Amino acid sequence: LAKTTQPISMDSYEGQEVNITCSHNNIATNDYITWYQQFPSQGPRFIIQGYKTKVTNEVASLFIPADRKSSTLSLPRVSLSDTAVYYCLVGTFSGGYNKLIFGAGTRLAVHP
Amino acid sequence: DAGVIQSPRHEVTEMGQEVTLRCKPISGHDYLFWYRQTMMRGLELLIYFNNNVPIDDSGMPEDRFSAKMPNASFSTLKIQPSEPRDSAVYFCASRPGQGLGNEQFFGPGTRLTVL
Repeated sequence: LAKTTQPISMDSYEGQEVNITCSHNNIATNDYITWYQQFPSQGPRFIIQGYKTKVTNEVASLFIPADRKSSTLSLPRVSLSDTAVYYCLVGTFSGGYNKLIFGAGTRLAVHP
Repeated sequence: DAGVIQSPRHEVTEMGQEVTLRCKPISGHDYLFWYRQTMMRGLELLIYFNNNVPIDDSGMPEDRFSAKMPNASFSTLKIQPSEPRDSAVYFCASRPGQGLGNEQFFGPGTRLTVL
């Protein structure tokens, strides 16, 4: 399973755009890049996933360069409620195998 | 859909007691996962099931831990006997059998405290 590296913590202010970059140098050909969000006292919540190029949904955007060795989660105009831990994972669901490895994540603090 | 349901939400017990955590996955999901989260070790996968059959239990810490899935709508994680180092938040997650991605649906967790 490919290992990911992301910053331990980040600080931002309300209304700013936040970009969290994740490194996954050993990503496999079939792996997807997935981001989860976890609020205190809650389970992780899937927010976005991609294989290559750019993916956008109502919550975030995910930018993946051609070599796929890194990815950037972009949160537009953050609010206090975006304060959470964000996890970057790589893997695939193949042949019934779907073991996800959660690292330490990035603890994002949004300030007024 | 009510999402993944876990019970109890909080459990406080004394060392040596048996603890049983319960999970109801989302209806129609073929896969069920048990995770443990602590400050020291983060979020760890303990075991997962496909169609009620255990697929990978390599994360189960020791023989004191056991998990069962008697049917598609119910799973238990049992710790016997419990120890203070088992104190953690235990999450259950489920996912459908289709799709290539990594989306899993997590429950609210059970916070276990072993005194």
